[in-house]
Amino acid sequence: GAGVSQSPRYKVAKRGQDVALRCDPISGHVSLFWYQQALGQGPEFLTYFQNEAQLDKSGLPSDRFFAERPEGSVSTLKIQRTQQEDSAVYLCASSLAWGGVQYFGPGTRLTVT
Amino acid sequence: EDKVVQSPLSLVVHEGDTVTLNCSYEVTNFRSLLWYKQEKKAPTFLFMLTSSGIEKKSGRLSSILDKKELFSILNITATQTGDSAIYLCAVESTGEETSGSRLTFGEGTQLTVNP
Repeated sequence: GAGVSQSPRYKVAKRGQDVALRCDPISGHVSLFWYQQALGQGPEFLTYFQNEAQLDKSGLPSDRFFAERPEGSVSTLKIQRTQQEDSAVYLCASSLAWGGVQYFGPGTRLTVT
Repeated sequence: EDKVVQSPLSLVVHEGDTVTLNCSYEVTNFRSLLWYKQEKKAPTFLFMLTSSGIEKKSGRLSSILDKKELFSILNITATQTGDSAIYLCAVESTGEETSGSRLTFGEGTQLTVNP
């Protein structure tokens, strides 16, 4: 595709609800990353996939956060039992190969009420 | 813990001014340093720097890396109102126990260019 796309662009969830955020990387990109960006802060690393393998999930803040990329293309970030502190913009990025430039999607703004 | 510090955090200038944005870092397993521009959407890629002393240029923007002193600068000459954005500095590093890589970002510099 032309760029990284993410959906939905905006999500409002009530505290305790589960949410699923989708990322479509640039076609052919091997590496996929998820970042969390709080208001007024730089993005913070959550997790990294190389094809379908999740090689690093050390940035996931709790076991309520789960990410998958079952066929090595589209990825989903799932947050269970959302809390107010989960409110942030969730950015997805992809790169052609390991160590290449990461290109970002527009993000999903999650608001937990 | 990897750390990236940007300064200033906020900058207001007039059109035509030249600005210099700073980025210092402390990371293990450094691979590269990247600059991104973020308006109200996706961070867009500006530069990737891997070697010291080699200036990268794109129009009115340029950047250079000093791996000995662990910093980078981003220069914007003849600023325009369209340059108003948050400029993010990020350092790519490899994990010690994985074969993966990650970006560690600074807080960003909010640049406002007034007409």
